[in-house]
Amino acid sequence: AQSVTQPDIHITVSEGASLELRCNYSYGATPYLFWYVQSPGQGLQLLLKYFSGDTLVQGIKGFEAEFKRSQSSFNLRKPSVHWSDAAEYFCAVGSYGKLTFGQGTILTVHP
Amino acid sequence: DGGITQSPKYLFRKEGQNVTLSCEQNLNHDAMYWYRQDPGQGLRLIYYSQIVNDFQKGDIAEGYSVSREKKESFPLTVTSAQKNPTAFYLCASSTQTDSYEQYFGPGTRLTVT
Repeated sequence: AQSVTQPDIHITVSEGASLELRCNYSYGATPYLFWYVQSPGQGLQLLLKYFSGDTLVQGIKGFEAEFKRSQSSFNLRKPSVHWSDAAEYFCAVGSYGKLTFGQGTILTVHP
Repeated sequence: DGGITQSPKYLFRKEGQNVTLSCEQNLNHDAMYWYRQDPGQGLRLIYYSQIVNDFQKGDIAEGYSVSREKKESFPLTVTSAQKNPTAFYLCASSTQTDSYEQYFGPGTRLTVT
């Protein structure tokens, strides 16, 4: 069965600093990979997705993620974080029409 | 504006009572999903439905029930058999051809005491 691990429960960065959120997956075939973001008390919004092709994918709000098959990773990055990026971020893998989510990483942004 | 509506935002119930959470979408999506979110555990799939009058159990269906009588609506009932019902419940929908791009509602926080 597929699984997703987000090793960092909570990350704190300063506004303007770069950001990398880690995601590792376990899946037998070529994975469909996703990053979702959740503002406090709200639903989730899709940031970006990887199905195939170029391993560096661009998403909304200036985020990007890189798929590395050799490391079973799909890390999310942003070159310069804004205070409005404070939220919880979820990595997910898709199979058989369903999503399996990681535990989430809470991002705190200091001014 | 198209979207997903979940009501109410906060729900309080006494232990032993069944409670139904509402989920309505006007996105014309065929597929709908219910997730449970607990701190530090991510989202876990409870039930999903890919078409009207049909639904499948997810990973944690015990103690829950659903119905899908209309395309727009997918209510979730939390029964008294659910041992730890207090949680944040999220409803989502998608097209059948792009089931991984899910659109989420704002959630219902259920507290059972």
